[in-house]
Amino acid sequence: GQNIDQPTEMTATEGAIVQINCTYQTSGFNGLFWYQQHAGEAPTFLSYNVLDGLEEKGRFSSFLSRSKGYSYLLLKELQMKDSASYLCACMDSNYQLIWGAGTKLIIKP
Amino acid sequence: GAVVSQHPSWVICKSGTSVKIECRSLDFQATTMFWYRQFPKQSLMLMATSNEGSKATYEQGVEKDKFLINHASLTLSTLTVTSAHPEDSSFYICSAKGTGDTEAFFGQGTRLTVV
Repeated sequence: GQNIDQPTEMTATEGAIVQINCTYQTSGFNGLFWYQQHAGEAPTFLSYNVLDGLEEKGRFSSFLSRSKGYSYLLLKELQMKDSASYLCACMDSNYQLIWGAGTKLIIKP
Repeated sequence: GAVVSQHPSWVICKSGTSVKIECRSLDFQATTMFWYRQFPKQSLMLMATSNEGSKATYEQGVEKDKFLINHASLTLSTLTVTSAHPEDSSFYICSAKGTGDTEAFFGQGTRLTVV
């Protein structure tokens, strides 16, 4: 079956770095997405990886290893506004998105 | 990025009535639109996928006669929750993508409360 695993909740300190991991098992693979979702709002796109390696975009970076079925989202210089849920989603062979349950990130001063 | 507008942002309706939610792509042609439902503290659950001009494909367990989806044009899809009940209260979100696009863009979401 298809499955996306990510931690339920993480806590980090303002100004620090946090890594949110995601492992996946899907029928086919056409890329992995990371979205940020604040409570009560729709998700917003953060990154898309389809090739192995690290993609850096400002304070956020995303890494993919297709052979390991593994990705992580790295957030640097954490700010209070980064408190949100972070959703990992894989696109399968039918180009459908398979969603993880999300990781709630709590930032403490 | 592309803009997807969803309306209304929130709605309260009486049990037994129907509610229509609109999803519009403002600056691109959305050949495919997705409708999701999200209960509190849970992830997005795909309800259905619609391609412009075709009948929607519903996920297992989603009643197609209760959640009517229309995607009659390349910029508009609607979800109608018919005979709404309190258990239908949820956050409904649409996303849209154009032909050949990898990324789907999300609407703002609609908070439905059935009383």
